[in-house]
Amino acid sequence: GAGVSQSPSNKVTEKGKDVELRCDPISGHTALYWYRQRLGQGLEFLIYFQGNSAPDKSGLPSDRFSAERTGESVSTLTIQRTQQEDSAVYLCASGLPPRGLRGYTFGSGTRLTVV
Amino acid sequence: DAKTTQPNSMESNEEEPVHLPCNHSTISGTDYIHWYRQLPSQGPEYVIHGLTSNVNNRMASLAIAEDRKSSTLILHRATLRDAAVYYCILSSDDMRFGAGTRLTVKP
Repeated sequence: GAGVSQSPSNKVTEKGKDVELRCDPISGHTALYWYRQRLGQGLEFLIYFQGNSAPDKSGLPSDRFSAERTGESVSTLTIQRTQQEDSAVYLCASGLPPRGLRGYTFGSGTRLTVV
Repeated sequence: DAKTTQPNSMESNEEEPVHLPCNHSTISGTDYIHWYRQLPSQGPEYVIHGLTSNVNNRMASLAIAEDRKSSTLILHRATLRDAAVYYCILSSDDMRFGAGTRLTVKP
């Protein structure tokens, strides 16, 4: 597609359940980022994928969070045993390194509400 | 932590120019300066980027200081739709965003 697609756009889940969020990057984009944005807050880096390199997982807040990406395709962010504090918008961005020469494109995000 | 500092908020009147400053005193010679903005209830969008020379595109202009330790995003005529959070970020920030500047545009 022409842009970064994220699904679902909204997700309401019960505390303790697992959720899986999906990001379809722009075709050919080798780099992919996941962010979390709580209401009224800034963008919190979670994880970065670049091609077939080992991902940078330094932003994941706990071991309940994990993400996968196969090659340069779809990525999924999984949150296990969700907590109310996980309620936020989860944003995905893809781009073409070297980072200095290309802007990144963001998806519209998945709004996660844990009740 | 992000390597840039920006004012938390700014106000502008509609149809007037807006100059959004960003300080990056520890910038390296290979760092590009990027600007993104986030409109309400949307994901961030790329605005402009530059290395040394001033840059213009359909959205904005980027003025870079000669020593590259600061830059200014210029919106030539602010509209209500320009109300957003504006982020300044260096390429070596690895897409770690700071808090940005919340721009309010008054009619």
